[in-house]
Amino acid sequence: QQKVQQSPESLIVPEGGMASLNCTSSDRNVDYFWWYRQHSGKSPKMLMSIFSNGEKEEGRFTVHLNKASLHTSLHIRDSQPSDSALYLCAARNTGYQNFYFGKGTSLTVIP
Amino acid sequence: DMKVTQMPRYLIKRMGENVLLECGQDMSHETMYWYRQDPGLGLQLIYISYDVDSNSEGDIPKGYRVSRKKREHFSLILDSAKTNQTSVYFCASSSGGNYAEQFFGPGTRLTVL
Repeated sequence: QQKVQQSPESLIVPEGGMASLNCTSSDRNVDYFWWYRQHSGKSPKMLMSIFSNGEKEEGRFTVHLNKASLHTSLHIRDSQPSDSALYLCAARNTGYQNFYFGKGTSLTVIP
Repeated sequence: DMKVTQMPRYLIKRMGENVLLECGQDMSHETMYWYRQDPGLGLQLIYISYDVDSNSEGDIPKGYRVSRKKREHFSLILDSAKTNQTSVYFCASSSGGNYAEQFFGPGTRLTVL
């Protein structure tokens, strides 16, 4: 059973537009969330992390977390073609070393 | 410079041959991981290592084994490779703290004919 679900599976946005990606965990013991970005043919690289309820902003990227619903979202404003990639959500329980990954959202930004 | 390395980057083997994938990290991380990534299936955890000679099965360990004799080095071994083991394999490491992220290697693309 997939412990982390991501939606949508794929997303197409115009250059300059806003991309919104969602991630929910079905494991109530999950405490920590990360967002990774993986460009085609490359390895995943950590984009943002969030561990507390609320919002965190880094440049064009904003991440939200609602711990009660175990839902996190990633928003990319002013999307650029270079943002085209697979975005992976990862979650982890306190004290455990296993990361649970979703299947990812494939984002395409069209010039 | 924090880095995870993987060798080889590309490998073609025939069914039944043995395969050795190697991973190294220079961050003295205790925890290391092997994943495979297939289209539509995401990252699947094969094995996790908590430190030297302290390894645990992940979600899909069948057909694989691992070895960790030094903290900075973690190997994935396929004894008698099968065609369904064709995949991209990623190694990762983490310092193990609750807030610690994973650092991934560049991946090995394995084709089993």
